[in-house]
Amino acid sequence: GQQLNQSPQSMFIQEGEDVSMNCTSSSIFNTWLWYKQEPGEGPVLLIALYKAGELTSNGRLTAQFGITRKDSFLNISASIPSDVGIYFCAGHWNNMRFGAGTRLTVKP
Amino acid sequence: AAGVIQSPRHLIKEKRETATLKCYPIPRHDTVYWYQQGPGQDPQFLISFYEKMQSDKGSIPDRFSAQQFSDYHSELNMSSLELGDSALYFCASSSRPSSGANVLTFGAGSRLTVL
Repeated sequence: GQQLNQSPQSMFIQEGEDVSMNCTSSSIFNTWLWYKQEPGEGPVLLIALYKAGELTSNGRLTAQFGITRKDSFLNISASIPSDVGIYFCAGHWNNMRFGAGTRLTVKP
Repeated sequence: AAGVIQSPRHLIKEKRETATLKCYPIPRHDTVYWYQQGPGQDPQFLISFYEKMQSDKGSIPDRFSAQQFSDYHSELNMSSLELGDSALYFCASSSRPSSGANVLTFGAGSRLTVL
């Protein structure tokens, strides 16, 4: 099946530090999405990637669609306390599949 | 901008009861998805509908059923509820662009607690 391996599972960082997380799969996808979820709320789209090799930024967030179409990474620069949450990658082929999430904690 | 509306936001039921969750997609979105998210888990795909027809099926139990109506809203019906059905249920909607790349917009979720 189209399993996504997301890492790390959790991160504890100091405010101001940079963050990097990634997703890999044995299957190829035609779209990679990165979502952020806060407690009790639905996932909110951060970045959408549509082409292999595509590098896209959204403020302090940068994400790339791997050239093999089997992986993607998300970087957050100069983290701030409101970056706290769970970050999910999602890959789409015929349907959308989610990674297990990366739980980010930012210490002021 | 209008978002995906889910109701109710919270629901408490007892074992073996039934529950119905409703989802109103973003206007002009023709595709609806249902996801189940257990505590500390990632969202698990249940089922999706495109133009009122079931388009894909995931790990939806046989006790659950869903449909999409002519106004594109969708309902998830859950019967013979079990304790393990306690979870956040998310609805998401998208439009089907010609490129085939879907961006899902999620609702705030319905939290079901089965006692």
